[in-house]
This record gives sequence, C-alpha cells and structure tokens, in this order.
Amino acid sequence: DAGITQSPRHKVTETGTPVTLRCHQTENHRYMYWYRQDPGHGLRLIHYSYGVKDTDKGEVSDGYSVSRSKTEDFLLTLESATSSQTSVYFCAISESIPTGAYEQYFGPGTRLTVT
Amino acid sequence: LAKTTQPISMDSYEGQEVNITCSHNNIATNDYITWYQQFPSQGPRFIIQGYKTKVTNEVASLFIPADRKSSTLSLPRVSLSDTAVYYCLVGDNDNDMRFGAGTRLTVKP
Repeated sequence: DAGITQSPRHKVTETGTPVTLRCHQTENHRYMYWYRQDPGHGLRLIHYSYGVKDTDKGEVSDGYSVSRSKTEDFLLTLESATSSQTSVYFCAISESIPTGAYEQYFGPGTRLTVT
Repeated sequence: LAKTTQPISMDSYEGQEVNITCSHNNIATNDYITWYQQFPSQGPRFIIQGYKTKVTNEVASLFIPADRKSSTLSLPRVSLSDTAVYYCLVGDNDNDMRFGAGTRLTVKP
C-alpha cells in the first residue's frame, strides 16, 4: 500500500472552532488531494496541490483552505467549522504513469463530526 | 468535465461474472477511463484504466467500444469480498476527474 497517513483519524469538534487535518505521504508524489465523502454524493474534490506551495480549488472548496509547505505534507483547514462539514475526509496522492492518466492512492480517511 | 452515468446498485451471486456499465457520452479525445473500488470505511482503490478496446489485469477487464461513449467493467467469478462501491471516472488527469455516486455491488452467497 502507498505510504499515506492521515491525522487525526477521528475528531469531534464544536461549531465555530478551527480544525486542521493532516495528510502525510512517504511516496514523494507530486500531486495531493483532499476529498470529502457524504452519503449519496460519492467523493467530492475540495482542493488539490500540484507541488509545494501550488494549490487550487476543487468543486466544493468554500469554507476550506489548504497549505503545502513540504512535498510530503498537505494540510486541510476548516477556519470555522460548521455542521455541514461533518463528513469523512480522504487524502489522495498521485503521480503520472506512462500509460495514461494518473492513478490515485487514498489514505485511510478522517471522520470529522461538527456538533 | 466528462459526466458519467452508472447504475446505482447491482446484485450478484458468488461465482458469477459481473458487468458494470458506465456511460460517458461527452468523453474527450484525450480522456482515459478509470475504475476504482471502495470498501466500507476505506478509501477508494484503483482497479483498472483504459483508453480503447480491451484492458485486462489480474482482477478485472475493461471493455471500451470504438465510439468510447461507454465502458464496461467486468469482474470474473465474484466472491463475497467483491461487495463494494465501484466508481467510473473519465478524464486526462486527476484534476478534472470526478467521482459520482458509484455503483453499489452486493454479492450474495
């Protein structure tokens, strides 16, 4: 399995508090992603990074920010958590493959509950 | 972004072959077709990827007709452990690929 860890694995927080989720990889892959998964919606891309300090928005980026100061770490921050951000968050990494489009490797997920 | 349509759910029995079809009518010339599998409480896992015709690996086959407007993931002789959600994605890089709701496959004894 690809070396991807997420921390924390579970978190309960109150509405209005800041929360930071960490994704750490040991594969030296260029691309990193944050997704959220909610029942009935599959996975939705929040933000992604294509290199150190290079990030861009995904389809559901409102209320989230990211930072990538090192190749191996990609942080997702909820500046002021809301109940609608209760979800399971997955980090993924990828690198180009010679035969075509990229293959993503996913972390174990972080279950966040905002009360 | 190329949109994909898959059945919401499918049932099968152990030992049968399962075929899951995905429609992607507006697939672009540079797009690849990628399938992922997700078990409960885990992140998705790459199964197979193709551009045209047929691709086969140790776990599945992917059939893509000449017009590339659809694709079929074929799982030979499924077992209970193949019960999962299967996602079809279309794109030429991960930044424009989108996971839909997927197909929930239930394999029964």
